[in-house]
Parts: sequence; C-alpha cells; structure tokens
Amino acid sequence: GESVGLHLPTLSVQEGDNSIINCAYSNSASDYFIWYKQESGKGPQFIIDIRSNMDKRQGQRVTVLLNKTVKHLSLQIAATQPGDSAVYFCAEMGLNRDDKIIFGKGTRLHILP
Amino acid sequence: DSGVTQTPKHLITATGQRVTLRCSPRSGDLSVYWYQQSLDQGLQFLIQYYNGEERAKGNILERFSAQQFPDLHSELNLSSLELGDSALYFCASSPGWGLENEQFFGPGTRLTVL
Repeated sequence: GESVGLHLPTLSVQEGDNSIINCAYSNSASDYFIWYKQESGKGPQFIIDIRSNMDKRQGQRVTVLLNKTVKHLSLQIAATQPGDSAVYFCAEMGLNRDDKIIFGKGTRLHILP
Repeated sequence: DSGVTQTPKHLITATGQRVTLRCSPRSGDLSVYWYQQSLDQGLQFLIQYYNGEERAKGNILERFSAQQFPDLHSELNLSSLELGDSALYFCASSPGWGLENEQFFGPGTRLTVL
C-alpha cells in the first residue's frame, strides 16, 4: 500500500538523467540535515547527511548541497535508476539535548523509462 | 530489511478504543523513536526512549504514551482513539541517544480508526 501523501509534488525524470530534489528548511539554527528515501510500503531510509559547517557532501551517486543563507537543501541523484523511484524528504535538527527533528513534506520521484 | 520489527502490520479499530503498537529495535541499539506519518501532517516525531528512559518528547498527544522495557523493546499506547489518529506509525532505533546517530526505521504499523 502507499506509504505517504497522495498530493506530494512529483518530479519525473528520464532513466539515466540526473535528478535534483529541493527542500526549504525552517530553522536557521538547525545544525544537521538528513535526506531520507521512502519506498512504497516501507519505512524511511537514510541516504546522506550534512552538518551546518559544510555546504556539500557526496556519497555514492548522491550529493547534498546546503545553502544556509536561503535555508535551502538539495539532493542530487546521478544517473537515475528505476530503483530510485520513491518519496524523498529532508529532515533538519539541532544537536542539543532539547532539539527535535523536523521533516519536510517530501517529493515523489518518478522515473520515466 | 532494517532489523527493526514492528507489530502488528495493520490495525483497524473504532473511535474511543485503545491500541498498543510494538517495536523491537535492532540488536544492540539502545534508542527507540516513535513517529506518526499522516497524509496531511507528514512525518512527525512523537517520542524517544534511550536505554529504558524517556529522552525527548515531540508532538505526542496526552492520549498517547510509550515505554521501553528492560529488553529494549518499546510499546506505543494510543487511547481514546479519534478518526484523525489514522496514520502510519513508525518506530526507529539507533545505537546512541543523539540525533546524529543514524536511525533505522521499521516497516510501520498502519492504524485505521473507523
């Protein structure tokens, strides 16, 4: 069954092309950010993280960019594959004891054959 | 498979009722987190336990409560259920108590309140 909202923004990308998913976060004091992937019927899965003292971090086929000036986070997926079809959402948090994690609404990535 | 298990997978109940959701963390993980995912609110943090003690509270209603047992499994109790409580409830676990520890999510429990 479908895991998440039916009315999420959708990004349709041709297989093999690069995908860029954006997120506007809310708290300028957030220290740490994570991108999650959620496939249909499954729980969220960690993809990549970045701390506020960095502006770019690369993983395997994924890159996260952080622009603190405009409170913007992006996830770039290189050479998009059918298995990348999922909902992607960002999470922001402080790293102090009383800080909480806040999730974005998500973007659905649809891969065109 | 994340190693986190949740039961039941689906739960259908009526308004006013009480249910218990169960989570078993990954072997060795001491932290358990509970989240609610609904169509309109997205994913929201409810509560965190670390090694048996409550560590952080999020948007958890007073009708909801949780606990973590000595064997580290956790239960989320939802009472006086309302239609709006229908949602997916996820449990996640991590080795340590800080948010910088990677969290591993279970498959979720889909709660439907009729």
